[in-house]
Amino acid sequence: AQKVTQAQTEISVVEKEDVTLDCVYETRDTTYYLFWYKQPPSGELVFLIRRNSFDEQNEISGRYSWNFQKSTSSFNFTITASQVVDSAVYFCALSVNPVSSGSARQLTFGSGTQLTVLP
Amino acid sequence: DADVTQTPRNRITKTGKRIMLECSQTKGHDRMYWYRQDPGLGLRLIYYSFDVKDINKGEISDGYSVSRQAQAKFSLSLESAIPNQTALYFCATSDGTGREQYFGPGTRLTVT
Repeated sequence: AQKVTQAQTEISVVEKEDVTLDCVYETRDTTYYLFWYKQPPSGELVFLIRRNSFDEQNEISGRYSWNFQKSTSSFNFTITASQVVDSAVYFCALSVNPVSSGSARQLTFGSGTQLTVLP
Repeated sequence: DADVTQTPRNRITKTGKRIMLECSQTKGHDRMYWYRQDPGLGLRLIYYSFDVKDINKGEISDGYSVSRQAQAKFSLSLESAIPNQTALYFCATSDGTGREQYFGPGTRLTVT
């Protein structure tokens, strides 16, 4: 079975601080995808990034960066110079190979981290 | 126009009522999913469908049923709503690879 753990339930920072959201995953599959989604107060889910298990390169997109480490089964997300508009719930999710898992390639979500950026 | 739409966006209903949530997509995807989100629990899969003739239970299907009326439409029904079904419901679609899912805007359901 797959599992995603986001141990940080809530984080509060002051604007312009850097913040890292942790994500630890469990799977026996060697082929899988990891995702981050943002859920602003309006409720919709905004896709941020997908990373496959064979690509351990870190990625940077503007103020966002992701650190994928298979050795520690972690896929952490850092926001640099945080802004009030970054306030949202952030979800990490895992998708595994349906053949080996015996089921559909559905997403297994973590419980989310509520990030509040104070002005 | 949005690729995945959900109706209604908000609904308040009473215990025991039957309610249907609808999802439509214009992405041409075969695979569709229904998720439920509860505070502190992330999203959990209710049902999924790989095509019009294929329906599968997810992690938390009890108390729900679905109908895949067409490739583009996937409805979720609560035959007799109960208060603990109060949640935010998301529909999603994916192509044959399933590598990425596209989510609708969500339906906020309150059962009183």
